[in-house]
Amino acid sequence: DSGVTQTPKHLITATGQRVTLRCSPRSGDLSVYWYQQSLDQGLQFLIQYYNGEERAKGNILERFSAQQFPDLHSELNLSSLELGDSALYFCASTESSSYNSPLHFGNGTRLTVT
Amino acid sequence: ILNVEQSPQSLHVQEGDSTNFTCSFPSSNFYALHWYRWETAKSPEALFVMTLNGDEKKKGRISATLNTKEGYSYLYIKGSQPEDSATYLCAFPMDSNYQLIWGAGTKLIIKP
Repeated sequence: DSGVTQTPKHLITATGQRVTLRCSPRSGDLSVYWYQQSLDQGLQFLIQYYNGEERAKGNILERFSAQQFPDLHSELNLSSLELGDSALYFCASTESSSYNSPLHFGNGTRLTVT
Repeated sequence: ILNVEQSPQSLHVQEGDSTNFTCSFPSSNFYALHWYRWETAKSPEALFVMTLNGDEKKKGRISATLNTKEGYSYLYIKGSQPEDSATYLCAFPMDSNYQLIWGAGTKLIIKP
């Protein structure tokens, strides 16, 4: 158990809808990362937060947004959903934003858009 | 453009045999090199973070070496077991802010 909690585990919704994925980092970790894994694709970095502030942005669509709250949990909001947004969304956390801290991954949220 | 390459893409190994695979990364502006193991239906799990040239790390039957001057890292598994079956990913921070560039992974299948 990595100590990173993601909810829900599974989400099925229709095109055009909006969903929120939630992540609680490991106790003491200040940095949260969101990744997307689509079918047969590797990990695609979406966005990183450190202690409540956005630190880095990857290939995140404008329809997607995220935030990190004062208690350090993070939410990823996906709106105007399309079939292609179906994927496994991982959250990971690290103690700091230093490059020598390993990422600790949650179990992911599997999103299915029908 | 920064690129991290892993080879081979997949590997079938007989149970009990030892194996190794490679991660190649840009040798300039080196910060660190991460190794992760990703088992099917689970989430990636950190194995090693390596930062120094010549560094060698070990975790049970798995070890890794690092050559920052030539830009490669080897991951070794000694006496492969079925539970070693997984995709092994390496990742390279593109800057000091920790945005990782991920390799495509080496999928290891251990045959009983």
